[in-house]
This record gives sequence, C-alpha cells and structure tokens, in this order.
Amino acid sequence: DAGVIQSPRHEVTEMGQEVTLRCKPISGHDYLFWYRQTMMRGLELLIYFNNNVPIDDSGMPEDRFSAKMPNASFSTLKIQPSEPRDSAVYFCASSFFRSSADTQYFGPGTRLTVL
Amino acid sequence: GNSVTQMEGPVTLSEEAFLTINCTYTATGYPSLFWYVQYPGEGLQLLLKATKADDKGSNKGFEATYRKETTSFHLEKGSVQVSDSAVYFCALTPTGNQFYFGTGTSLTVIP
Repeated sequence: DAGVIQSPRHEVTEMGQEVTLRCKPISGHDYLFWYRQTMMRGLELLIYFNNNVPIDDSGMPEDRFSAKMPNASFSTLKIQPSEPRDSAVYFCASSFFRSSADTQYFGPGTRLTVL
Repeated sequence: GNSVTQMEGPVTLSEEAFLTINCTYTATGYPSLFWYVQYPGEGLQLLLKATKADDKGSNKGFEATYRKETTSFHLEKGSVQVSDSAVYFCALTPTGNQFYFGTGTSLTVIP
C-alpha cells in the first residue's frame, strides 16, 4: 500500500485566499483524522471521521475551517478565507479500528504558508 | 480527562550515549500507549506501543515499559546513533479511535 497520501506537499498563498488540502487514506481504513502542527501549539487534532461521517470537530479553530469526506478514499480540509496564523503543517492520518491497540498512520503533511 | 506530559527538549547527546525521554499520562480506564517518531520533513511514524500494564514495547533498539503504578511510559535506548535524530511523541488512546499526543521532544545526536 502507498500509505496515506496528501496533496499538495507545500502550499503558499496570500491572506484571504481559499486553500484546499487533500488526503487519501489507506484503503480499508475506517477512521480519518486531520491534525495541525505548529511550533507554538504542537500537534492539534482538528477533526476526525468514522466511515465518512464527522464524529468530533471540536478542534476546528473557527468557521473558516471546514472538512469533508465524500467517500472512503478522499477527504478535504478547506480554509476560507486563509489568514497568516493558519500557517502550519497539516497532517492527515487514518486507522482501521479493531481495538485500542491499533495505530494511526500519518501522511507526509502539507506545509501551508499564508503570506 | 486524558493527557500526556513529556519532557521538554531539545535533547542533545553524543553518539553511543544512553537516551531517556520521560512520559507520564493521565487517562480514564486502561489506555494503550505509544511512541511515535517524526524525522525532518516527514509525518509521524509508529515507533513502539504497549497495550496493558507491564507490557514492554520495543523497536530499533528503543524500549518503553507501561508502568500503571507510576502512570509512565518512558522511552529508552542504550546507544543512540546520529540517525536517531528526530522528534519523539508520546501518545495514548483510551479507545483506539482518538489519540492524545504529547508536545514532542526533539533529539539531536552529534557524532
């Protein structure tokens, strides 16, 4: 398997623009997670899905952020409008839940820079 | 609630030195415990895990023992290499579907 795939790997945009980050989870996994990593705040869980349904979006910082999972093999995280403080590395992770021993598999991340 | 506290970094060691990175946790129930590693420019990768008290997880010379009495899961390696330079994250999950990560500890190993 190719692992979790994220695109783009790097995104540079100007304040006010819409940004869309994409994720393809590992085939067969039923959980998908979006995280944000910054030096100041570390790794933060933004939202996670189970069988394409959002379960907990309490980590989404504000209404400018939205996430969708239209099918089992694709998810997007959208920021509209973007702001400089959104600059971070965004990770997607997936897992196949059978027990608490199961692990999450992370993608390589998208480094977002908002000017 | 659920949370993980790990030692502040950065940690700098000479090659072949002994490594300990402390991790303590607070959790409801009986969580599974994990160490993840993040190499520069990459995503997090599972390093090792333990699912019940007194279990020892091990991989690539790293070890950690699930200590319920001290609520700890300290990471150790007897002889670090330059290639071990990375950021290490301690994590727990009480249920398997939501993870709680520590803030990460940066390790630099110098030749």
